[in-house]
Amino acid sequence: NAGVTQTPKFRVLKTGQSMTLLCAQDMNHEYMYWYRQDPGMGLRLIHYSVGEGTTAKGEVPDGYNVSRLKKQNFLLGLESAAPSQTSVYFCASSSPRGAGSGELFFGEGSRLTVL
Amino acid sequence: QQQVKQSPQSLIVQKGGIPIINCAYENTAFDYFPWYQQFPGKGPALLIAIRPDVSEKKEGRFTISFNKSAKQFSLHIMDSQPGDSATYFCAAGRNTGNQFYFGTGTSLTVIP
Repeated sequence: NAGVTQTPKFRVLKTGQSMTLLCAQDMNHEYMYWYRQDPGMGLRLIHYSVGEGTTAKGEVPDGYNVSRLKKQNFLLGLESAAPSQTSVYFCASSSPRGAGSGELFFGEGSRLTVL
Repeated sequence: QQQVKQSPQSLIVQKGGIPIINCAYENTAFDYFPWYQQFPGKGPALLIAIRPDVSEKKEGRFTISFNKSAKQFSLHIMDSQPGDSATYFCAAGRNTGNQFYFGTGTSLTVIP
């Protein structure tokens, strides 16, 4: 059971570089999310999607872009990385019913360091 | 602005003790309150959740207490075990929506 798979798991960038994090889920979930986790800050929602071709901003969207071209994939892009974007990024997915009951399925995270 | 406030930041208990983690919220539109458990190197996983129409919910050794008037809820872990050592996050959201707001997390260590 793959569930939610994130790639890459680790990445080091220099300030100003760009990169894309890929999230793939095999549960046929409608909803997908990108969170960042920072010490003392918990999990904060960056962007989310309620279906293929749709995206919406979360709590901390600045500096990030997303795309949901296929139902099973949700991409998070950093166009010009900054040290403040050093974090652990988590992708999650849920069904509409699951979202209504707080049941999100998370990937194992992608640790990004921006120098 | 933190939508959900969680305390304490860290907690150390002896095996068999009952750690308690507290959360508070302001938005009265929230109507679903899940708790997540996260082990090192892993993503969070749903542990237990409660709706505001009940004051308590138990699942195994885990219990959520909910105080709607005070806008507070808490997680109790009965007979805690070293395997319960993890980070716990509370969250709040609307069951008709698609966003949940997480607390800042509590790192629990259960000493054998």
